[in-house]
Amino acid sequence: EAQVTQNPRYLITVTGKKLTVTCSQNMNHEYMSWYRQDPGLGLRQIYYSMNVEVTDKGDVPEGYKVSRKEKRNFPLILESPSPNQTSLYFCASSLSAIGYEQYFGPGTRLTVT
Amino acid sequence: QQQVKQSPQSLIVQKGGIPIINCAYENTAFDYFPWYQQFPGKGPALLIAIRPDVSEKKEGRFTISFNKSAKQFSLHIMDSQPGDSATYFCAASLDTGQLTFGSGTQLTVLP
Repeated sequence: EAQVTQNPRYLITVTGKKLTVTCSQNMNHEYMSWYRQDPGLGLRQIYYSMNVEVTDKGDVPEGYKVSRKEKRNFPLILESPSPNQTSLYFCASSLSAIGYEQYFGPGTRLTVT
Repeated sequence: QQQVKQSPQSLIVQKGGIPIINCAYENTAFDYFPWYQQFPGKGPALLIAIRPDVSEKKEGRFTISFNKSAKQFSLHIMDSQPGDSATYFCAASLDTGQLTFGSGTQLTVLP
């Protein structure tokens, strides 16, 4: 089944404790992206990747890191999480950057206390 | 910061009604405009999309109207059904891959 998977689905952590949210797709998509969703703000793009070893900042990259060492994986790293990073995070992938449907993962709900 | 402004924030219609959701953008470099539908507890899913060289696109009961000169676009849902109750997001994309979403519209279709 073609899908985007994220792990963990739920995470509660404390301020400053490094964490990684994994994202994997099995559709051989070139483009992958991370978003955060907050009430009243819609989805905001954090980072995106056009292909392996190519990553770019979205609208809200501060406090996040990403890497794209393999085509299928695009982990999101929070080196020192803060409470303002409490949010619902979505990973997405598509065949190419534009003009193609983005397939979203199921989401990761992160709480930073 | 590039922005896409979406309205209304919430919308309630009777079954069979035609809800209309509006979006406006500022950056004329945007060249792809998708709409996403999101059900509670799920990730967004592409509903329909349009390019700026087209003024209207219809897929089933969903229609996008696009006004390039006004930098506005809208989603119409014909013969709306309770199963259409969801949150709808407009978005705009640059050819760099950067995608900007509107703030969302929560649609409720009453039976």
